[in-house]
Amino acid sequence: GDSVTQTEGQVALSEEDFLTIHCNYSASGYPALFWYVQYPGEGPQFLFRASRDKEKGSSRGFEATYDKGTTSFHLRKASVQESDSAVYYCALPNNYAQGLTFGLGTRVSVFP
Amino acid sequence: GALVYQYPRRTICKSGTSMRMECQAVGFQATSVAWYRQSPQKTFELIALSTVNSAIKYEQNFTQEKFPISHPNLSFSSMTVLNAYLEDRGLYLCGASGTYNNQAPLFGEGTRLSVL
Repeated sequence: GDSVTQTEGQVALSEEDFLTIHCNYSASGYPALFWYVQYPGEGPQFLFRASRDKEKGSSRGFEATYDKGTTSFHLRKASVQESDSAVYYCALPNNYAQGLTFGLGTRVSVFP
Repeated sequence: GALVYQYPRRTICKSGTSMRMECQAVGFQATSVAWYRQSPQKTFELIALSTVNSAIKYEQNFTQEKFPISHPNLSFSSMTVLNAYLEDRGLYLCGASGTYNNQAPLFGEGTRLSVL
């Protein structure tokens, strides 16, 4: 079945560091790709999505570019803040096209 | 704005009993609602997808007999965990899709189920 793989389980950074979280997907065709962020005690919040090759999604300083050639949708932020500490999930539609299949998540900890 | 509310936020039930949780879409029409479970140290497991006026589709390892779902209109869905046991513990999330946010599901804050 369709799947997403997030390489990093945990990332520790200092404020103003550059963040990259790698997401690779396995699916046929052109699935929409999503990034969600989950803060402690809350449900996942939608960050952005992209639906076609070379499309860039962005929100709150985060961005990712859909790359069909490398089947990737890596999340990046140029300068992180302590408030960016959270778990980030890459996702794509499952076989039913409206439920989502999530990656295992990447826990980002930003220290002052 | 568009929001998804889940109730209750937390609940505790005795082993073998049942527990019902609710999901309310506010500010948009939820044409489909997906229920997930997030267990400790795990990612989100899709339980089932409910689309108004269509049959509810359950994922493998989840059944209607264990997790009956009701989705009577475009703003409300509920799911019951029947005969709950320890392995049913976790955060149950409702993700609603519809006339908002370019079809990206919006999630509630979840119902955390503990089983004694």
